[in-house]
Amino acid sequence: AQSVTQLGSHVSVSEGALVLLRCNYSSSVPPYLFWYVQYPNQGLQLLLKYTTGATLVKGINGFEAEFKKSETSFHLTKPSAHMSDAAEYFCAAPPRAQGAQKLVFGQGTRLTINP
Amino acid sequence: DAGVTQSPTHLIKTRGQQVTLRCSPISGHKSVSWYQQVLGQGPQFIFQYYEKEERGRGNFPDRFSARQFPNYSSELNVNALLLGDSALYLCASSLDNGLAGLGTQYFGPGTRLTVL
Repeated sequence: AQSVTQLGSHVSVSEGALVLLRCNYSSSVPPYLFWYVQYPNQGLQLLLKYTTGATLVKGINGFEAEFKKSETSFHLTKPSAHMSDAAEYFCAAPPRAQGAQKLVFGQGTRLTINP
Repeated sequence: DAGVTQSPTHLIKTRGQQVTLRCSPISGHKSVSWYQQVLGQGPQFIFQYYEKEERGRGNFPDRFSARQFPNYSSELNVNALLLGDSALYLCASSLDNGLAGLGTQYFGPGTRLTVL
């Protein structure tokens, strides 16, 4: 079964610094991967997704992620953090045989931005 | 266009009671999925419905049930509530059923259920 692991439950960076949120997946074949963001007291919003093709995926709000099969990773980055980026971030993937509407989520990483 | 809507926003119940949560998908979306998000954890898949048929079920007890109506709205029912059912319940809709493609899931704001 597909599973995702997010390394680091809390990440704190200064405003303007690089944001790096880590996600590793387990699978014998390249999966489909998603990053979602959750602001306080809100639902989830899709940041970006990888399906096939280009391994560097650009999303909303300046975020991007690179699919690395050799490292089974799909880390999320943003060159310069903004205060509005403070939120919970989730990496997710579907069980391979069951389609994308049954996502398996990581535990989440809470991103704090320091002024 | 309106996004996914859920009602109620908050709900407080006592152990043993029953609860019904409601979800209206984005217009034109035929697939609805339900997730449970316990505080401090990622969402866990409960059910998916597509064209009024159950297409997937997560590892939840039979106390959890759901249905989808002809207008594609959906209800999640939980019977015999336990303290551990306290969570944010999220509904997500998408254009397809996830088999033919990878339709993006759009999430609603959730219903916060507290069981006392």
